[in-house]
Amino acid sequence: NAGVTQTPKFRVLKTGQSMTLLCAQDMNHEYMYWYRQDPGMGLRLIHYSVGEGTTAKGEVPDGYNVSRLKKQNFLLGLESAAPSQTSVYFCASSYSSSGANVLTFGAGSRLTVL
Amino acid sequence: AQSVTQLDSQVPVFEEAPVELRCNYSSSVSVYLFWYVQYPNQGLQLLLKYTTGATLVKGINGFEAEFKKSETSFHLTKPSAHMSDAAEYFCAVSRSGNTGKLIFGQGTTLQVKP
Repeated sequence: NAGVTQTPKFRVLKTGQSMTLLCAQDMNHEYMYWYRQDPGMGLRLIHYSVGEGTTAKGEVPDGYNVSRLKKQNFLLGLESAAPSQTSVYFCASSYSSSGANVLTFGAGSRLTVL
Repeated sequence: AQSVTQLDSQVPVFEEAPVELRCNYSSSVSVYLFWYVQYPNQGLQLLLKYTTGATLVKGINGFEAEFKKSETSFHLTKPSAHMSDAAEYFCAVSRSGNTGKLIFGQGTTLQVKP
């Protein structure tokens, strides 16, 4: 039972390069989320999806794009990376929109932009 | 809008000493409250949650938290710290019908000294 899998786990980019982070879940969850974690700031929501083919902006969406072409996958893209996007990125999923529902998190993807 | 404040960025304790990690929230509507733990180089996992009912909530690894609506607090406690409890702890809030999005606090690092 893999749960939520993120790839890659580590990546170093140069300013201006692009990349995509992949999140895959095998729990048939409807809802998926991308967060970024920065020291002293907790986790902040970048984008989320309430189902296949849907995406919505979170708290800090600028500089990122997402796609949810398949229910099990949620991709986070950086079109032109900036040093301010150096962070640890976490994907999470849940089976319902109930506020009481628990999110299942991936292990994280550490991105460094030089 | 909801927000979460974790009052301490670091909490040092000696092994077998009691632990208290403080969390306050603000919201104009009823909320659900969570504590997540993050061990080094891992994703977040749920410690405990408050949805409705009993205000004293018990979680894994001997942790518990009490929801105090009048004080808008949800402090995490444990009677006796173990070395294995050293980790970062996040308080989070959600509300019904909010697509399951979590708002996180800044995080508290629990340091356990022998």
